[in-house]
Amino acid sequence: DARVTQTPRHKVTEMGQEVTMRCQPILGHNTVFWYRQTMMQGLELLAYFRNRAPLDDSGMPKDRFSAEMPDATLATLKIQPSEPRDSAVYFCASGLGDRLFSGNTIYFGEGSWLTVV
Amino acid sequence: SQQGEEDPQALSIQEGENATMNCSYKTSINNLQWYRQNSGRGLVHLILIRSNEREKHSGRLRVTLDTSKKSSSLLITASRAADTASYFCATPAATSGTYKYIFGTGTRLKVLA
Repeated sequence: DARVTQTPRHKVTEMGQEVTMRCQPILGHNTVFWYRQTMMQGLELLAYFRNRAPLDDSGMPKDRFSAEMPDATLATLKIQPSEPRDSAVYFCASGLGDRLFSGNTIYFGEGSWLTVV
Repeated sequence: SQQGEEDPQALSIQEGENATMNCSYKTSINNLQWYRQNSGRGLVHLILIRSNEREKHSGRLRVTLDTSKKSSSLLITASRAADTASYFCATPAATSGTYKYIFGTGTRLKVLA
């Protein structure tokens, strides 16, 4: 089955360290989303890309977060420096952008569980 | 801010009972989707309903959409312990040219065996 692959699945790091999360979208999908999930805020959209171009990263703290798509098979989310409040589950999801707005499924990875101590 | 708000936040029922969850949204949409999340896992798509549809079924799931009230409901009939999960509604952002989905706050369903 085609699936979105995220690494690492779990990460514990010390405050101030750099964290990089990686995502391999489903082959052929041209839209990639990064979501953050916490108990307090629920699912927040951090950034998303279409055809590797960033369309909207307004939900992302710009001072420490950055998101890129070096190629069509890899999306990265980087936090530098990390802080305890960044502890959350980070989900990557992908879909077919041309059909998303009219109603098409987006597929989620299993998430990267980040703990910053 | 959240586009969708689910209600109730948490629901606990006995196996065999029906579970109903509601979602309210703020702006006009052309479709609404429901997703399920098992503990510790990613979200999985359940069902999509378009704005010109009022009701849709998929197995034990029934989804309704009332665009005049900007609300949707998800009904799970004859619930099973395996239905224990969080359920989210998702709507496309009402910004032309963009394709993002905004998720609601979720309903945590617990089905007791």
